Amino acid sequence: SYELTQPPSVSVSPGQTARITCSGDALPRQYAYWYQQKPGQAPVLVIYKDSERPSGIPERFSGSTSGTTVTLTISGVQAEDEADYYCQSADSSGTCVFGTGTKVTVL
Amino acid sequence: EVQLLQSGGGLVQPGGSLRLSCAASGFTFSSYGMSWVRQAPGKGLEWVSGISGSGGSTYYADSVKGRFTISRDNPKNTLYLQMNSLRAEDTAVYYCAKVINYGSGAYYVYYFDYWGQGILVTVSS
Repeated sequence: SYELTQPPSVSVSPGQTARITCSGDALPRQYAYWYQQKPGQAPVLVIYKDSERPSGIPERFSGSTSGTTVTLTISGVQAEDEADYYCQSADSSGTCVFGTGTKVTVL
Repeated sequence: EVQLLQSGGGLVQPGGSLRLSCAASGFTFSSYGMSWVRQAPGKGLEWVSGISGSGGSTYYADSVKGRFTISRDNPKNTLYLQMNSLRAEDTAVYYCAKVINYGSGAYYVYYFDYWGQGILVTVSS
């Protein structure tokens, strides 16, 4: 199996922009997805197919990709965005992988 | 409204067995793949197992292969995870999740659009 690597933590002031990266050799050939998880809660999908936003997810969440790295960007960060964020990818063999996770702290 | 209601967790001794259930509603259950994802205390998410809508195809992480069995009962709209030979390292909150998966040109789409509430499995003597 392959790995997806994320920075352990990102800190950002309210109103600023947070960028969370996810790196993996397979990412040029696979879509990436992003989940937000708050303490004691189940994960919530915030980005699918690299850059698509599900209904109900605020526009400040966006995704992009470049080579072996995908990035989740939170523009105009709000206190409620403080959470753990995980990237995820999968191949057609049915194997799914999650990233190592990033804790976003709103200062 | 999609709902995934989990049950069956608890405390089990090492080497023991446990079966988790996930009752689904609000969508055509047999049309979607399902998965189990776990999270050890203070750790990240780990995909455990997946199953196709018909139940004819199953997939497992190497860490549980040969010990865990995923299955589904489509008339009952219920997903299961039978866990045998449990180890301390299987201690985690287990989530069931509804899968969106399909081929899209050269790419394969596979992600989780709805999750259960999670249920704690503790393996300890």
